[in-house]
Amino acid sequence: SYELTQPPSVSVSPGQTASITCSGDKLGDKYAYWYQQKPGQSPVLVIYLDNKRPSGIPERFSGSNSGNTASLTISGTQAMDEADYYCQAWDSSIDVVFGGGTKLTVL
Amino acid sequence: EVQLLESGGGLVHPGGSLRLSCEGSGFIFSSYAMSWVRQAPGKGLEWVSAISGSGDGTYYADSVKGRFTISRDNSKNTLSLQMNSLRAEDTAVYYCAKVWSGYYTSPFYMDVWGKGTTVTVSS
Repeated sequence: SYELTQPPSVSVSPGQTASITCSGDKLGDKYAYWYQQKPGQSPVLVIYLDNKRPSGIPERFSGSNSGNTASLTISGTQAMDEADYYCQAWDSSIDVVFGGGTKLTVL
Repeated sequence: EVQLLESGGGLVHPGGSLRLSCEGSGFIFSSYAMSWVRQAPGKGLEWVSAISGSGDGTYYADSVKGRFTISRDNSKNTLSLQMNSLRAEDTAVYYCAKVWSGYYTSPFYMDVWGKGTTVTVSS
């Protein structure tokens, strides 16, 4: 079965850049999506089609996807960005797959 | 405003059944595929099932295939998940999510999520 691997945790200082990776076999051949989930809340889409931001998502969120790795980058990280982040991919042979999630700590 | 409201969660014994519902509003329900995603306590997101906008295509994760059935009533803007032969490992918050398009094809992602309903399978 297809797997997407994320680091369990990432720490960043306020105002610095946070990068969260998502690795999977030939992930760059598929689209990558990213969701943010704050404690006690539902997931929110923050990146779609590798690098597009839905309306209402701050410009400091960006994404990339190439080779076997997709990345979510948060520039000028703020305390409000502290959350769990999940990558997701789809393919007719793998269906919908989520990464295991990364807890972003802003300290 | 696009909204999704799940209902039907609760406590059920192993081997039992439960039916979840999700009512959509603020969008043309029949134009969009819908999906169920679950999250076990303290764990990550797990895709469960999806259905095309017309309802003629249904898709399941291997972990629930043969036990769960997804359906929709576009006249009532309602998505359902019939869960049979429930196991302890089915315990989770179940989210209803709107898919970007009407089909189970790329690009496939969920752009609006409900608040979730909790299912607990325990004796």
